Amino acid sequence: AQSVTQLGSHVSVSEGALVLLRCNYSSSVPPYLFWYVQYPNQGLQLLLKYTSAATLVKGINGFEAEFKKSETSFHLTKPSAHMSDAAEYFCAVSDPTGTYKYIFGTGTRLKVLA
Amino acid sequence: SQTIHQWPATLVQPVGSPLSLECTVEGTSNPNLYWYRQAAGRGLQLLFYSVGIGQISSEVPQNLSASRPQDRQFILSSKKLLLSDSGFYLCAWTPGTGMNNQPQHFGDGTRLSIL
Repeated sequence: AQSVTQLGSHVSVSEGALVLLRCNYSSSVPPYLFWYVQYPNQGLQLLLKYTSAATLVKGINGFEAEFKKSETSFHLTKPSAHMSDAAEYFCAVSDPTGTYKYIFGTGTRLKVLA
Repeated sequence: SQTIHQWPATLVQPVGSPLSLECTVEGTSNPNLYWYRQAAGRGLQLLFYSVGIGQISSEVPQNLSASRPQDRQFILSSKKLLLSDSGFYLCAWTPGTGMNNQPQHFGDGTRLSIL
């Protein structure tokens, strides 16, 4: 069965510092992976996706993620944090073998310190 | 372009009252539709999904139900709400291509408070 683990429910970084949000997946076959961002009282917005093309994926707002099969990881990074990046971030995986379900991690709340 | 609408944005209901939340998608045909509930610190819990009119898959046994009376309409219902039904409910869609390498698109959610 698919599963997603996000290490660190809360992460704080200083403005201008590197952002690193961790995501590990468990899957018997290479999955499709997604990162979403959620601002308070809003739905989730797609940041980027991995669907078996390039392992380094660039997304919106300067974020990128690298798929590492050997580590079963898909960590999200941004070189320089902005105050506007403060939000909750979710990693998700879908099953490439045919079900229509998506499995989400429990989320990481990012705080950006001035 | 495709859009997804959810309403109401907020709802306060007494325990034991009925519930109806509606979600509609525009600009696409035969989407896959999803209902999630989000509780603080617990991520998204998949409640129901549908791949076509009248086709509903339930993921969690509870006092909620879902229906899809039209291609682009997805309704979440309850006959009698419990305190534990409080939460943030999200509707989402993906293209009905038969493959799930597409991201989900989410509505703005409904904040449901049970008193």
